[in-house]
Amino acid sequence: AQSVSQHNHHVILSEAASLELGCNYSYGGTVNLFWYVQYPGQHLQLLLKYFSGDPLVKGIKGFEAEFIKSKFSFNLRKPSVQWSDTAEYFCAVGDTPDSWGKLQFGSGTQVVVTP
Amino acid sequence: NAGVTQTPKFQVLKTGQSMTLQCAQDMNHNSMYWYRQDPGMGLRLIYYSASEGTTDKGEVPNGYNVSRLNKREFSLRLESAAPSQTSVYFCASTSGPEDTQYFGPGTRLTVL
Repeated sequence: AQSVSQHNHHVILSEAASLELGCNYSYGGTVNLFWYVQYPGQHLQLLLKYFSGDPLVKGIKGFEAEFIKSKFSFNLRKPSVQWSDTAEYFCAVGDTPDSWGKLQFGSGTQVVVTP
Repeated sequence: NAGVTQTPKFQVLKTGQSMTLQCAQDMNHNSMYWYRQDPGMGLRLIYYSASEGTTDKGEVPNGYNVSRLNKREFSLRLESAAPSQTSVYFCASTSGPEDTQYFGPGTRLTVL
């Protein structure tokens, strides 16, 4: 079965600092990759996704992620964070084909941005 | 266009009580999912419905049942609630396996 690892459980950084969150998955076949964000008290929202093509994916709010197939990784980055980026971030992986859209989520990384 | 809606938002149950969590989507999506979110464990799939008329177990189905009432609605039932089912429950939907899942606002359930 697919497993997804997010190595950082809590990250605290100052505004304007750069952010990189790691995500590794175990399945070696074709995968769909997602990063979701959950702001305090809100539901999950999609930040970005990768299905195929250019392995460098740009999402909303200045986030980007790079798919490195050889490393089974899909790390999330933002060059300069803002206080409003305080949230929990989840990496998710869907196996294809015939996965019926089922996603395996990582355990999440709580990011706190201090003013 | 409300997206994915869930009711109720909050619920407190006593051990052994039953309840049904409701989920509806207005995006004409084929597939719907129920997840639970627990601290430090991310989201885990309970049940899913790939299309109207079908349901299947996910990673943590024990203690739950589901009904895909029609294309719009997918309910989750706890027949005899246990404290281990205290969690936040999210419903999601997608048009297909190659599309994004859209999540509802969640139901925070406490079982005493």
